[in-house]
Amino acid sequence: GDSVTQMEGPVTLSEEAFLTINCTYTATGYPSLFWYVQYPGEGLQLLLKATKADDKGSNKGFEATYRKETTSFHLEKGSVQVSDSAVYFCALSAGFYGQNFVFGPGTRLSVLP
Amino acid sequence: NAGVTQTPKFQVLKTGQSMTLQCAQDMNHNSMYWYRQDPGMGLRLIYYSASEGTTDKGEVPNGYNVSRLNKREFSLRLESAAPSQTSVYFCASSEGQGPNYGYTFGSGTRLTVV
Repeated sequence: GDSVTQMEGPVTLSEEAFLTINCTYTATGYPSLFWYVQYPGEGLQLLLKATKADDKGSNKGFEATYRKETTSFHLEKGSVQVSDSAVYFCALSAGFYGQNFVFGPGTRLSVLP
Repeated sequence: NAGVTQTPKFQVLKTGQSMTLQCAQDMNHNSMYWYRQDPGMGLRLIYYSASEGTTDKGEVPNGYNVSRLNKREFSLRLESAAPSQTSVYFCASSEGQGPNYGYTFGSGTRLTVV
């Protein structure tokens, strides 16, 4: 079945450091790819998405490029802030029905001042 | 802008007790979902409702029932709670089904079964 693999962390960075969180996927067909962010005590929020190969999703300084050849959707940010501390989930949606939306296990990011 | 509202936010149950988790969305979304979140396992789909009047099982439906009361509301019921159901439960909604639709999540219900 479809699956998402991501580095589980925790990832600890200093403020203004460069961030990469790796995400790879396995899916039949051509999935859409998403990054969600969960701040402490809150639900998940959509951070960015890409719906086809070579698309780049971006939001709030975060970027991710849909790489079909490597089945990857790595999340990057050039300069992280303390306020970016959260759990980041990579996800895919491959089919028409709700059960085809698959989440990775999440990566906890802590940014130190 | 309420979005997806879940109640309660916290609950402690004794083994064998029953309860209903409530979820309501005000975005006129057609599809609604219930997930559970457990450490190291990400989110797992319990049940979903593609549209008003329909419900279907997800990955982990055992021990749960759902009701799509109307377009706005989608409740999750635990008939006889077990410690294995200790988790954080999230309700979500989407405008439609299909790979291009992202989800809007509620803030979660933290359930402990003792």
